[in-house]
Amino acid sequence: DAGVIQSPRHEVTEMGQEVTLRCKPISGHDYLFWYRQTMMRGLELLIYFNNNVPIDDSGMPEDRFSAKMPNASFSTLKIQPSEPRDSAVYFCASSTTQIADTQYFGPGTRLTVL
Amino acid sequence: QQQVKQSPQSLIVQKGGIPIINCAYENTAFDYFPWYQQFPGKGPALLIAIRPDVSEKKEGRFTISFNKSAKQFSLHIMDSQPGDSATYFCAAPSSNTGKLIFGQGTTLQVKP
Repeated sequence: DAGVIQSPRHEVTEMGQEVTLRCKPISGHDYLFWYRQTMMRGLELLIYFNNNVPIDDSGMPEDRFSAKMPNASFSTLKIQPSEPRDSAVYFCASSTTQIADTQYFGPGTRLTVL
Repeated sequence: QQQVKQSPQSLIVQKGGIPIINCAYENTAFDYFPWYQQFPGKGPALLIAIRPDVSEKKEGRFTISFNKSAKQFSLHIMDSQPGDSATYFCAAPSSNTGKLIFGQGTTLQVKP
């Protein structure tokens, strides 16, 4: 298996622009997680899905952030409009049937908002 | 908001030393305590995890020690190597949802 795939790996955009991050989880994994990592706040869970359904989005910082999972093999995290404080590394992770089990992280998307 | 407190924030040891990283948690939904290892430019990867019907788990040079009454657990790296230089995160399941709450991370540097 190729593991969790994320794209793009790097994104540089200007404030106010829409940003879309993409994730393909490991086949057969029922849980998908979006995390944000910064020096100040560490690794924060933004939202997670179970069987394509959003379960907990309490970590989404603002309404500018939205996430979708239209099918079992694809998810997006969208920021509209983007702001400089959104600059971070965004990780997608997936796991099997248990929520508190091994999470397999993707390589991350490094987002820079100028 | 539930927290997992991890210490120290950074750690420097000589090759062969035994770095110890500590974590303290609040109430949890169930007992599952993993440690993740992250190299620069990579995503975190599971290193070792404990489901404490035992107080200690060892895998190779890595050991988790667990103290349920104190709500603490720690990672010990025996005979540390420069290749162990990375950031280490502990995590614990939140008491209400079970989702993993990560500690702030410990950056370990092992000098040759």
